[in-house]
Amino acid sequence: EVQLVESGGGLVQPGGSLRLSCSASGFTFSSYAMHWVRQAPGKGLEYVSAISSNGGSTYYADSVKGRFTISRDNSKNTLYLQMSSLRAEDTAVYYCVKGPRQWLSMNWFDPWGQGTLVTVSS
Amino acid sequence: EIVLTQSPGTLSLSPGERATLSCRASQSVSSSYLAWYQQKPGQAPRLLIYGASSRATGIPDRFSGSGSGTDFTLTISRLEPEDFAVYYCQQYGSSPVTFGQGTKLEIK
Repeated sequence: EVQLVESGGGLVQPGGSLRLSCSASGFTFSSYAMHWVRQAPGKGLEYVSAISSNGGSTYYADSVKGRFTISRDNSKNTLYLQMSSLRAEDTAVYYCVKGPRQWLSMNWFDPWGQGTLVTVSS
Repeated sequence: EIVLTQSPGTLSLSPGERATLSCRASQSVSSSYLAWYQQKPGQAPRLLIYGASSRATGIPDRFSGSGSGTDFTLTISRLEPEDFAVYYCQQYGSSPVTFGQGTKLEIK
């Protein structure tokens, strides 16, 4: 069974940093692109970032470019999202999701992790 | 970027009825690269449909997707109590990936 388990969320002050992790199991992690999608409280879904299977290509939404860094460790089956210069509008549940392909494009998302809540507030 | 507009915002129906949810794109979605997700309160979204009409693994056949170009539809043929949730469409044919704002399917 494919499983994605996020961790690392919490309360952080504006301007602070946080690193999210996503531990993957049940599939060959190094063969698939991985993605982060977030959902602000009571709002819809926003595509945040993606990384190709070998880590050679990355994508960032304009809203997080220059502040967030996605990475992966295929030896540990783990995906990361390093978030810095956090703002109140970054408050959301962050989901780790798997795509069906090695590359960044043409991906639907299945499955989704349970999500980890990031709250940016003073 | 492609903007997806879902309608209606809220749909009130009774179990056993047929539900028709719409997703309209601001420009053509290439190769029908459109997916549908279901999200229940406090849960992560779940993939229902990809490629506009292909059901994901384990999804009951009362869920079906159709459409092409700019107009797509998710149909639930006979509503079960567990189908009342929020539904999102997503296009993945053009960068950036975008989602619709969601349709809430509630019990009448």
